[in-house]
Amino acid sequence: DAKTTQPNSMESNEEEPVHLPCNHSTISGTDYIHWYRQLPSQGPEYVIHGLTSNVNNRMASLAIAEDRKSSTLILHRATLRDAAVYYCILRAPGSLLNRDDKIIFGKGTRLHILP
Amino acid sequence: SQTIHQWPATLVQPVGSPLSLECTVEGTSNPNLYWYRQAAGRGLQLLFYSVGIGQISSEVPQNLSASRPQDRQFILSSKKLLLSDSGFYLCAWTRDRGLNTEAFFGQGTRLTVV
Repeated sequence: DAKTTQPNSMESNEEEPVHLPCNHSTISGTDYIHWYRQLPSQGPEYVIHGLTSNVNNRMASLAIAEDRKSSTLILHRATLRDAAVYYCILRAPGSLLNRDDKIIFGKGTRLHILP
Repeated sequence: SQTIHQWPATLVQPVGSPLSLECTVEGTSNPNLYWYRQAAGRGLQLLFYSVGIGQISSEVPQNLSASRPQDRQFILSSKKLLLSDSGFYLCAWTRDRGLNTEAFFGQGTRLTVV
């Protein structure tokens, strides 16, 4: 499985942008980059995903490096409710005979928001 | 719309007792289903995943087992719980071959083995 590397923790001030990095140097051409976050005592929730182009949604933006070996999740204006563990995950397609789609989580980045 | 149900929310069980956690998905068919465990202060560990009825892949050796008796039902079981089985258990689903879509997680079951 392709691996991702993220900083263990980051801090940001409330109402400021946050850039969460993820390295995935062994990514293959068909791997999708997904981001999830987990608030305390809850299951993970989807944030955003992409393949090659940068992506925007109501929660965040995803900036993908041209060589796809790294990506950055951008929270444009962090609030206290954004304090969570953020996971960067690669999802690889199975073959026609093998539908495997294991979703493997790393340790993620614990984001602290300072009021 | 699709929903995922997981129960119970909390469970306290003595060592050596059996376990059965159930997860059901509504509003979709032929989903990929997953069981994860999160020990206190740790990351999410994939335990089992299933791509169809009766098809279970185990990711780590342990005294837990999983079954998928129906398309949208995924059950996590144990015959005899250990203290080390304590943790936060999460069920999740994705669409078949849905790499371009997100995974949906249940609210989790917090299991304490005493």
